[in-house]
Amino acid sequence: DAGVIQSPRHEVTEMGQEVTLRCKPISGHDYLFWYRQTMMRGLELLIYFNNNVPIDDSGMPEDRFSAKMPNASFSTLKIQPSEPRDSAVYFCASSWGLAGGTSETQYFGPGTRLLVL
Amino acid sequence: KNEVEQSPQNLTAQEGEFITINCSYSVGISALHWLQQHPGGGIVSLFMLSSGKKKHGRLIATINIQEKHSSLHITASHPRDSAVYICAVRSKYGGGGADGLTFGKGTHLIIQP
Repeated sequence: DAGVIQSPRHEVTEMGQEVTLRCKPISGHDYLFWYRQTMMRGLELLIYFNNNVPIDDSGMPEDRFSAKMPNASFSTLKIQPSEPRDSAVYFCASSWGLAGGTSETQYFGPGTRLLVL
Repeated sequence: KNEVEQSPQNLTAQEGEFITINCSYSVGISALHWLQQHPGGGIVSLFMLSSGKKKHGRLIATINIQEKHSSLHITASHPRDSAVYICAVRSKYGGGGADGLTFGKGTHLIIQP
């Protein structure tokens, strides 16, 4: 398996522009997580899905952020409009679910490095 | 919300030394993860544990649920072990919101030849 795939790997955009980050989880995984990493705050959970359904989006900073998972093999994280403080590395991770309904070891994608000027 | 504290923040050691990185958390958990972030930025899951001890090669992870504490040990350290080691916890209770991880700030480890 190719692992978790994220695109683009790098994105430079200007303030006010729309940014769309993409993630393809490992085939068969039913959990998908979006994380953000900054120097100041470290890694933070933004949102996660189970079987394509958003379970917890309490980490999404504000209404400018939205995430979708239209099917089991694809998810997007959109920022509209983007601001300089959104500059960070955005990681997608996926995992299997356990029988009890919680997730197993998470496998991380390579991340998307976003710079908003 | 769980608070995750790691120590030390930075650690420089000589090749061959025994390394210990500590992690403590404030609220009951269902699982604790140790992650390794390479200088290039990629993140790899090293261990997931909920009790006892796990070993993989030169890496050993232990957890004490009562004390809310975990340690990651590296034996016979090597320069290629240089990375950021991150502790992350998953909340104890199932259901909505319990599966996402809460992360420590990481320990920057440098192993000098």
